[in-house]
Amino acid sequence: GNSVTQMEGPVTLSEEAFLTINCTYTATGYPSLFWYVQYPGEGLQLLLKATKADDKGSNKGFEATYRKETTSFHLEKGSVQVSDSAVYFCALINNAGNNRKLIWGLGTSLAVNP
Amino acid sequence: DAGITQSPRHKVTETGTPVTLRCHQTENHRYMYWYRQDPGHGLRLIHYSYGVKDTDKGEVSDGYSVSRSKTEDFLLTLESATSSQTSVYFCAISEAEYSYNEQFFGPGTRLTVL
Repeated sequence: GNSVTQMEGPVTLSEEAFLTINCTYTATGYPSLFWYVQYPGEGLQLLLKATKADDKGSNKGFEATYRKETTSFHLEKGSVQVSDSAVYFCALINNAGNNRKLIWGLGTSLAVNP
Repeated sequence: DAGITQSPRHKVTETGTPVTLRCHQTENHRYMYWYRQDPGHGLRLIHYSYGVKDTDKGEVSDGYSVSRSKTEDFLLTLESATSSQTSVYFCAISEAEYSYNEQFFGPGTRLTVL
């Protein structure tokens, strides 16, 4: 079946530190991969996405590269800010068949201290 | 921002009472979803809709029903609320023409069942 595994949080960093949040997946076919972010008290919003192998998604200084050989989609940012404190979710949609349901990781909480 | 509203935003109710949550969109998107978010479980799909009067179950549908009589409205009903249904409920919408189309989320409804 399809599944997404994220590193457990919480992750606590100082401002300007380098961030990596690991995400690996299991899927048949060729899934599309997503990172969503949830700021405190809000709904989720799409941060970035990649639809095929070796694609790099990027937004707001965050990047993730779709690695088919390692079935990974790790989220990175070179210098985090206090405003990046949020919960980050990795997700996939399997392109095989007509399923339009996202498969979610459990989320990784990030706290950035000034 | 995608036009998605949820009502009510907060509700406290008693065990055994029926509860209806409303999701309203102004984007004319075909797909609509109801999720619940709980600590340690991430996001879990309750029900989704792929058109007016077309709905299907998600992974945690027991105790919930949905209706979609208009494109813009998707109702989630807890037929007889239980304490295990205390959660934050999110509605999402998607054009879903392509597998990589993102889902847009509403602000959430915090439901407490006493």
